[in-house]
Formats: sequence, structure tokens, C-alpha cells
Amino acid sequence: KAGVTQTPRYLIKTRGQQVTLSCSPISGHRSVSWYQQTPGQGLQFLFEYFSETQRNKGNFPGRFSGRQFSNSRSEMNVSTLELGDSALYLCASSLEAVGYTFGSGTRLTVV
Amino acid sequence: EDQVTQSPEALRLQEGESSSLNCSYTVSGLRGLFWYRQDPGKGPEFLFTLYSAGEEKEKERLKATLTKKESFLHITAPKPEDSATYLCAVHDLEGGADGLTFGKGTHLIIQP
Repeated sequence: KAGVTQTPRYLIKTRGQQVTLSCSPISGHRSVSWYQQTPGQGLQFLFEYFSETQRNKGNFPGRFSGRQFSNSRSEMNVSTLELGDSALYLCASSLEAVGYTFGSGTRLTVV
Repeated sequence: EDQVTQSPEALRLQEGESSSLNCSYTVSGLRGLFWYRQDPGKGPEFLFTLYSAGEEKEKERLKATLTKKESFLHITAPKPEDSATYLCAVHDLEGGADGLTFGKGTHLIIQP
């Protein structure tokens, strides 16, 4: 059974650019959530999607957005990148919010 | 606001030396408490979910327990391969954000 797949694994972007990250959940999982992990703040919830609808959103600025497609794949977008957006971005999929399986993450570096 | 505090921040043990990691939490209503293990450069790996006070779960050398205010991850006779960061997270029944609230983790090193 394939796990959660995140692409790309690594990204280097320049301040002011935008970036799109992709997440393919475990087959059959309809819930996809995104987290940002930094050394200082740890893991912080960004947003969750279920059946193409955003169910909840964490405390992040509007530059962070996402969407989910009919096949449950999800993308998150960060516009007007700032140096502080450098982080490991993790995607997790869930069947009924009873267990969240994480991908390996996308390491974003903003220079 | 949900809060999760893990202690200690770092722990160094000798191989075979048992110990416990602590996770203290504050939630409006607990839907679930999760333990994850994270290796450098990788995503968190699911270990356990606990739902109610008094519940216990075991897996190999790990045992997780839950009370109304805290959870413990007991590590018995650890091996070097148990070295990792252990993360605790809670899922709140109430409140606006439906995501997991994570603690900062305990960085565990097992020396041979």
C-alpha cells in the first residue's frame, strides 16, 4: 500500500516568488492536512481539506492557500515568499481523523 | 487554546537504560492523543493513538499511557535504533481548528 507522496522533496526559491507543493494521499483517504515544521515553532497546522472543501485553517497569513482535487490529491501554494517561510512542509492523510499518516515532506528554502 | 508541552527537550540514555517521556496537554475536549517518531529529514511516523484516560498501548519496546492531563511514553531497554525525536499531538473535539496541536518533541539519543 503506497504511503503519502509529496513532491518535490527539495525546493530553493527567491524572496517574492511563489511556490506550489503537491501531496498525493493514501488511496481511499479523503482528508488531507498540511503542516509547517520549523526548528523554532515545531509543527504547526496550516489547513485541512476533505472532499475538495477546506474544513479548517490554522493561524497563517492569506499568502498560504491550498486546494484539493476530486482524486483527493492536494496542493498548497505560498505567494510572495519571505525568508521566514523556509521550513519543512508536511502533508498528512487520514481516513476518519483517527490516525494521520505523514509524507516525507518538502524542504523549502527561501533565499 | 490547545497546548501541548513535552519534557524533557532532550534525553541521552545508555543502551538498555529504560526511561519515560512526558506529554502534558490542555484541550477543551480530547478527541485523541497521538505519539509519533520522527527521524532527521523524514516525516513523522505514527506510533499510537490514545482516546481516554486509563488507556494503554504497546509496541515492541514502547508503551504509551494516558491520564486526563498527560501522557507518558515509556521506553524499555532501548536500542540505538530507537534514537529519534518523539512527538506528541492532541486532536481537540471542540474549537475552530481541526488540526493536530503538536508539542516541540523530545530528542532521544541512545548510546551503545
